Amino acid sequence: EAQVTQNPRYLITVTGKKLTVTCSQNMNHEYMSWYRQDPGLGLRQIYYSMNVEVTDKGDVPEGYKVSRKEKRNFPLILESPSPNQTSLYFCASSFFSGGSGSPLHFGNGTRLTVT
Amino acid sequence: EDKVVQSPLSLVVHEGDTVTLNCSYEVTNFRSLLWYKQEKKAPTFLFMLTSSGIEKKSGRLSSILDKKELSSILNITATQTGDSAIYLCAPKGDKIIFGKGTRLHILP
Repeated sequence: EAQVTQNPRYLITVTGKKLTVTCSQNMNHEYMSWYRQDPGLGLRQIYYSMNVEVTDKGDVPEGYKVSRKEKRNFPLILESPSPNQTSLYFCASSFFSGGSGSPLHFGNGTRLTVT
Repeated sequence: EDKVVQSPLSLVVHEGDTVTLNCSYEVTNFRSLLWYKQEKKAPTFLFMLTSSGIEKKSGRLSSILDKKELSSILNITATQTGDSAIYLCAPKGDKIIFGKGTRLHILP
């Protein structure tokens, strides 16, 4: 089954404790992206990647890191989480080649709470 | 800078009404425009629009793109309480960004 798999679904952590949210897709998509969703602010893009070893900042990259060492994986790293990073996070992927490509496919989301 | 503006931000109507949701965009290297419905989980895909003036339909939902005006509309006819959700539009350019969404609430 074609899917984007995010883990964990829920995470509660403390300020300053490094964490990684994993994201994997099995559709051979070139494009992968991380978004955070907060009430009233919509889905804001954190980082995106157009292919292996190619990553770019989105609108809210501060406090986050990503890597794209393999096409299928795009982990989101919070080196020193702070309470303002408490949010709902989505990973998503899409084809970009061949003109319009494909829709964006979403993972199930990770609800992160930083205390 | 790429941007997406959706309107209205919030809408409350009665069951059976017809609603029109708007999306305007400015993006680099536009390829397509995506519409999603979001309830209490990940957004679910509704439409992908690539050509101006060609309406896409799925049941009571329809959508059309106007590349000249850099905009799209999503229509929902004969609304039902199950249509209550946040509707998101996302133009696909060099990257995919989202508007803030329209929160639609259908009263029984």
